[in-house]
Amino acid sequence: GAGVSQSPRYKVAKRGQDVALRCDPISGHVSLFWYQQALGQGPEFLTYFQNEAQLDKSGLPSDRFFAERPEGSVSTLKIQRTQQEDSAVYLCASSSDRASGNTIYFGEGSWLTVV
Amino acid sequence: RKEVEQDPGPFNVPEGATVAFNCTYSNSASQSFFWYRQDCRKEPKLLMSVYSSGNEDGRFTAQLNRASQYISLLIRDSKLSDSATYLCVVTDTGFQKLVFGTGTRLLVSP
Repeated sequence: GAGVSQSPRYKVAKRGQDVALRCDPISGHVSLFWYQQALGQGPEFLTYFQNEAQLDKSGLPSDRFFAERPEGSVSTLKIQRTQQEDSAVYLCASSSDRASGNTIYFGEGSWLTVV
Repeated sequence: RKEVEQDPGPFNVPEGATVAFNCTYSNSASQSFFWYRQDCRKEPKLLMSVYSSGNEDGRFTAQLNRASQYISLLIRDSKLSDSATYLCVVTDTGFQKLVFGTGTRLLVSP
């Protein structure tokens, strides 16, 4: 489809395991965002890319979280040594410009459960 | 204190009712304002932008008061399909990172 695609949709990880979440933004979109949404909460900003440059990673909760977008298209969010508090939906969003809220498109999310 | 505060609800209303949601934000430098809708187990989707002059889209009316740092959403003639979580969103300065409230859950019953 033409929307933002995320994989896997669902992931169960054992505590201590590393996980990688993939985001395929809408083709040609310059801006890419990752958000974390815990149960019953609104999405929380993690990091932002403009093309391949990671311009803001202030929302990453610890150094176990790492994101990359090496060719300015597909992005991967990696979580090392997962903990139970990492259980959440990880939402990827993309935009064609310096995102304003009315041009940003979200993927359906990757649901991570750490057991 | 969260940057964007909302009453989490749930708001339980009958079909046809009018319901209002409120939201306050703490960053006076916030530039843009929105209401997003999120259905259960789905991604957030833009419902409408919010302007100081107020704006209306069918049964939905949004209002912004910059002096009070307050945003509202009014839904008239509620439909069953309006049942969802409504997220108040402001943008930060710079590249306009979206800052979300916790969301207000609306349940419309027959």
